Amino acid sequence: NAGVTQTPKFQVLKTGQSMTLQCAQDMNHEYMSWYRQDPGMGLRLIHYSVGAGITDQGEVPNGYNVSRSTTEDFPLRLLSAAPSQTSVYFCASSYQQGRIYEQYFGPGTRLTVT
Amino acid sequence: ILNVEQSPQSLHVQEGDSTNFTCSFPSSNFYALHWYRWETAKSPEALFVMTLNGDEKKKGRISATLNTKEGYSYLYIKGSQPEDSATYLCAFTSGTYKYIFGTGTRLKVLA
Repeated sequence: NAGVTQTPKFQVLKTGQSMTLQCAQDMNHEYMSWYRQDPGMGLRLIHYSVGAGITDQGEVPNGYNVSRSTTEDFPLRLLSAAPSQTSVYFCASSYQQGRIYEQYFGPGTRLTVT
Repeated sequence: ILNVEQSPQSLHVQEGDSTNFTCSFPSSNFYALHWYRWETAKSPEALFVMTLNGDEKKKGRISATLNTKEGYSYLYIKGSQPEDSATYLCAFTSGTYKYIFGTGTRLKVLA
């Protein structure tokens, strides 16, 4: 199993450009999430999905869109990049075991917006 | 907005020292508390999941305790080694899939 994969690893965008961060998992996990990690702050939830066709907003959703057309893929779209979106983005997938969700993280995408 | 706080923010210890850090979380609507180990340039890896008041978990030299009534968890490392150097994150969930992460404790173990 490849686990959770993310592409690209690094990206530089100009303000106003759009792009899609890719996330895929091959573990047949129902749940997937996108987080951003900024210096001095914990991982903050952007959007999450509890299954194909179902998505919801997290703590910091503004400026980002997601969709979940398949169990495996959960892309994150930046509609019009802003310098405030410079961050490291982590995708995670999870399965439920009893009352616990075990979460697995991808390697991250480092995004710089100039 | 629910808040999860970790202390200290960073810590330097000598090899062989034992150390501990704290994660504070809301005591109401508790569902589970997760600990992760996060090495530089890697992604977070799960250490423990704790659900019941009084839970104690152990993995090698690392252990954790949970007090849901007062809203805190301790992570202990016995006989720290340089390979223990990492950021240790805790995350709180209140019954949904949404995790709320603390800012982490950065541990540096000096040889």
